[in-house]
Amino acid sequence: EIVLTQSPGTLSLSPGERATLSCRASQSVSSSYLAWYQQKPGQAPRLLIYGASSRATGIPDRFSGSGSGTDFTLTISRLEPEDFAVYYCQQYGSSQYTFGQGTKLEIK
Amino acid sequence: EVQLVESGGGLVQPGGSLRLSCAASGFTFSSYDMHWVRQATGKGLEWVSAIGTAGDTYYPGSVKGRFTISRENAKNSLYLQMNSLRAGDTAVYYCARFTATPGYGMDVWGQGTTVTVSS
Repeated sequence: EIVLTQSPGTLSLSPGERATLSCRASQSVSSSYLAWYQQKPGQAPRLLIYGASSRATGIPDRFSGSGSGTDFTLTISRLEPEDFAVYYCQQYGSSQYTFGQGTKLEIK
Repeated sequence: EVQLVESGGGLVQPGGSLRLSCAASGFTFSSYDMHWVRQATGKGLEWVSAIGTAGDTYYPGSVKGRFTISRENAKNSLYLQMNSLRAGDTAVYYCARFTATPGYGMDVWGQGTTVTVSS
């Protein structure tokens, strides 16, 4: 089973700042199968990024994804108040799906 | 409107069984792989099961042999039969649509149904 480790666990930033979230895999992951999700309190997750770097429908261009192999990054270029949430990476491989433990992005 | 609506959650004793349902609307249900994902209170997301368009099923080790995912395309419905339930299965259970176009990801989620396993 591929384990995804996200860092940091909590990130405290102010609106307007840049956020960089990391997702590290225990073994190589196909970029095609790496996705990022946003979850706000009391809501279901929302797909942000698929294929490691492509934005899902309706996702603002301040969100971007990058990486390959075992290291992937979600970047939010300039934080808006609505971006403060929990973010999860997720991978698919060998008919198994795993999520990272999440990064909580909180207002500083 | 594309929508998924879960139902069937509730309180069940350890060792008991429960069947969750997910009603899909607004898209061609039979054309998509479907998943169940759960989230314990204050915890992260955990993948629970998947079913392909051909009825092929997949599970993580934590639920394999206890949970069974199924679908009924004629009714646009997804199910999760949960047996031998444990306290650790307590969570909100989400159904999710898995898309491969234009890329792989769970692009539609339901609002979740709560399962509580307790005596």
